Amino acid sequence: KAGVTQTPRYLIKTRGQQVTLSCSPISGHRSVSWYQQTPGQGLQFLFEYFSETQRNKGNFPGRFSGRQFSNSRSEMNVSTLELGDSALYLCASSSGVSGGETQYFGPGTRLLVL
Amino acid sequence: EDQVTQSPEALRLQEGESSSLNCSYTVSGLRGLFWYRQDPGKGPEFLFTLYSAGEEKEKERLKATLTKKESFLHITAPKPEDSATYLCAVQASQAAGNKLTFGGGTRVLVKP
Repeated sequence: KAGVTQTPRYLIKTRGQQVTLSCSPISGHRSVSWYQQTPGQGLQFLFEYFSETQRNKGNFPGRFSGRQFSNSRSEMNVSTLELGDSALYLCASSSGVSGGETQYFGPGTRLLVL
Repeated sequence: EDQVTQSPEALRLQEGESSSLNCSYTVSGLRGLFWYRQDPGKGPEFLFTLYSAGEEKEKERLKATLTKKESFLHITAPKPEDSATYLCAVQASQAAGNKLTFGGGTRVLVKP
C-alpha cells in the first residue's frame, strides 16, 4: 500500500500571504489529522477530519483551517501568515473507525515564512 | 490537560551499549500509547502501540513496556542506524477522535 503523501514538500511564503497544503491518506483510511512541528513547541495537534467532518480541534487560531473531500484527501489552509508559522506540517491518517488506532504520518511539508 | 514528558532529552550511546528511554504521562483515561521514530527532515515512523499496563512489544532491538504512569523504550545493543529522535504520544479515552498528545522526544545518537 502506498503511504501518506503530502504536497508540496517545501514552501517559502512571505508574511501576510496564505498557503494551502494537501494530504492524501493511505487508501481506505477515512481519518486525517494535521500536526505542526517546531523546535520550540514540538508536535502539536491542529485538527482531525473524518468523513468530511472536523472531529476534533487543537488550540490554534482561526487562521488555521482545513477540510476533507469525499475521497478522504484533506487540505489545510493558513491565512495571513506570520513568521511563527514556519514549521514542518505533518499529516497522519488512520482508518478512523474506532479510537486507539495507529496513525501513519506523511513526510511533511516544510513551510518557511519570511 | 493531557501531558507527556520524555527523558532524557538527548542520549549518546556507544554501539552495543543498551539503554532505556522514559515517557511519563498524565491523561484522563488512556486509550493508547504510541512510540514513533523520526529521522531528520522526515515524518514520524510508527514503532509500537500499547493499550494497557503490563503490555510489552518488541521489534528487532527495541522493546516497549507500559505501566499506569509511564512507558519505557529499551534499546538493546544499539547500532548507528538506531540514531533518531524517539517520540512518545498518548491518546485519551475521553478525547473525540484520534488526537495525539506528544512528548518532546529523546534524541538518540549511537556512535560506532
